[in-house]
Amino acid sequence: GQQLNQSPQSMFIQEGEDVSMNCTSSSIFNTWLWYKQDPGEGPVLLIALYKAGELTSNGRLTAQFGITRKDSFLNISASIPSDVGIYFCAGPKLGEYGNKLVFGAGTILRVKS
Amino acid sequence: ETGVTQSPTHLIKTRGQQVTLRCSSQSGHNTVSWYQQALGQGPQFIFQYYREEENGRGNFPPRFSGLQFPNYSSELNVNALELDDSALYLCASSLLAGGEETQYFGPGTRLLVL
Repeated sequence: GQQLNQSPQSMFIQEGEDVSMNCTSSSIFNTWLWYKQDPGEGPVLLIALYKAGELTSNGRLTAQFGITRKDSFLNISASIPSDVGIYFCAGPKLGEYGNKLVFGAGTILRVKS
Repeated sequence: ETGVTQSPTHLIKTRGQQVTLRCSSQSGHNTVSWYQQALGQGPQFIFQYYREEENGRGNFPPRFSGLQFPNYSSELNVNALELDDSALYLCASSLLAGGEETQYFGPGTRLLVL
């Protein structure tokens, strides 16, 4: 079935550093979503991308929808301790009626201050 | 805060028992999707309910069933619990009205099966 591959699996970085993570798929997605999940919480939507080639920012976060529609990356600039968490990419798989979201396995981000 | 609430927050059951998890959707939303998230993995789609009908199902056995009520809240029922059912169960609400559909997640119910 459809699978999203995220890399790296985990990162341990210094506060203030920039972070880059990506997500690839063997199938085309028409939408790419990036979620963050804090411990004990559900995923929270960070950025949604709807067009191939689109580059979208949300504060210190920037994400791009790959031209081939099979990949996306998320960058975080000047990381801070509250950036700690698990970052998931996700894409909707269109069903007959509604969407189901397919998720990657996540990138765990740890920040040392 | 997404406005999506789930209960209970934690639950411990034994193998063979049955469990019911509840979700209240965000105001104005008509769709609820349920996901299972095992430790160290991304959420896996169980099923979606739209206007009280099942609207798509993932690769889960029939002992996973659900309901959606007229106020669009939803229940997930799991019968004959197995150890591998231990996971975080997430519900997500959305407004399905053609075009883009953004799903907003609740905090989840953590189920432990012993």
